[in-house]
Amino acid sequence: DQQVKQNSPSLSVQEGRISILNCDYTNSMFDYFLWYKKYPAEGPTFLISISSIKDKNEDGRFTVFLNKSAKHLSLHIVPSQPGDSAVYFCAASGGDMRFGAGTRLTVKP
Amino acid sequence: NAGVTQTPKFQVLKTGQSMTLQCAQDMNHNSMYWYRQDPGMGLRLIYYSASEGTTDKGEVPNGYNVSRLNKREFSLRLESAAPSQTSVYFCASRPGQPYGYTFGSGTRLTVV
Repeated sequence: DQQVKQNSPSLSVQEGRISILNCDYTNSMFDYFLWYKKYPAEGPTFLISISSIKDKNEDGRFTVFLNKSAKHLSLHIVPSQPGDSAVYFCAASGGDMRFGAGTRLTVKP
Repeated sequence: NAGVTQTPKFQVLKTGQSMTLQCAQDMNHNSMYWYRQDPGMGLRLIYYSASEGTTDKGEVPNGYNVSRLNKREFSLRLESAAPSQTSVYFCASRPGQPYGYTFGSGTRLTVV
């Protein structure tokens, strides 16, 4: 029962362009959503979050959008940089935290 | 600033052997968690401890036990390892809802 889904296992973009990573969830009890970034051989690190009472949160080059009616959130990275190449996990919290399977982002110079 | 420290970083076990994965955090966080990461499956919650003295099952608890030894330490035990438990294990902590986790660097476990 995967309550958080990231349907794109990988994404490749050119440096300077926008990266859009998508995430869908099924449980309407989730009230807090987060994105984590993971480099090889390291633990995930927190990137950005959004409460269910908001529809947008920005932090520098990173913006998270939440569409509650569609149970969908997305992470926008503008402009994308080669150092952004990593696996990105979407997570949803309503008690414990559930994670998606991750999307591997590759930013090409 | 150690954050969350996991030991060991790598381990190879034979089927049926037991072992304990250790986790300690120095951020005075109330809640601690154990996840496993498998290809295509993301991070799945094994057990968690919302506060010192409590533990609860997550999505995939079978074959594991945990101990919240004190506020700093949360260990994960495999009593009789199976090849299906080959995975990367992450410990995490947070102050409480709704804050994000701080993760350790992981333990790569192979059961042969």
